[in-house]
Amino acid sequence: GAVVSQHPSRVICKSGTSVKIECRSLDFQATTMFWYRQFPKQSLMLMATSNEGSKATYEQGVEKDKFLINHASLTLSTLTVTSAHPEDSSFYICSTGQGGYEQFFGPGTRLTVL
Amino acid sequence: AQRVTQPEKLLSVFKGAPVELKCNYSYSGSPELFWYVQYSRQRLQLLLRHISRESIKGFTADLNKGETSFHLKKPFAQEEDSAMYYCALKTGGGNKLTFGTGTQLKVEL
Repeated sequence: GAVVSQHPSRVICKSGTSVKIECRSLDFQATTMFWYRQFPKQSLMLMATSNEGSKATYEQGVEKDKFLINHASLTLSTLTVTSAHPEDSSFYICSTGQGGYEQFFGPGTRLTVL
Repeated sequence: AQRVTQPEKLLSVFKGAPVELKCNYSYSGSPELFWYVQYSRQRLQLLLRHISRESIKGFTADLNKGETSFHLKKPFAQEEDSAMYYCALKTGGGNKLTFGTGTQLKVEL
């Protein structure tokens, strides 16, 4: 199956700073990637669909100015959490929807905002 | 709006016992359902999908449209089955998924 990586795996930042999380597809070209957020012991919540070369599509209730998504190439999508606050602390996971029905997930990024 | 419900947060069974992880969905369109699994310290991965009607690692799941259910079953649990299981519903265009809250399966010796 497809291989998806995320960087960093873990990040701690101060409140008010911005954090960028990278999601890469290592062995294929991904025109679409998904970004999820997972709170402890809760489900994955889809935040947005990242589309290569065009604007991301955000789910209802997700602030697009807060969570900036850039999908500038077929192998890289980035999620930037701007002016992060403690309530943004979470586990962020990306996946790709290429290759038919199956989604391939990255290992996730643990964000802690102090 | 679409919804996936997994009523059990934790299911604990003994090795060799049957397992059933419950999943119910709510969707106005034609559903396409999946089970994803996350083993300890590993990423989420696809276990099976209802369309393929396969048995993967001894697990099966049948879509019951009348009961809007897609329960995951295995006749004899193994220790290596211990993991977090998520039921997911494909909605809209592309491969957009709505996940349930997950069930932690613990198989005890």
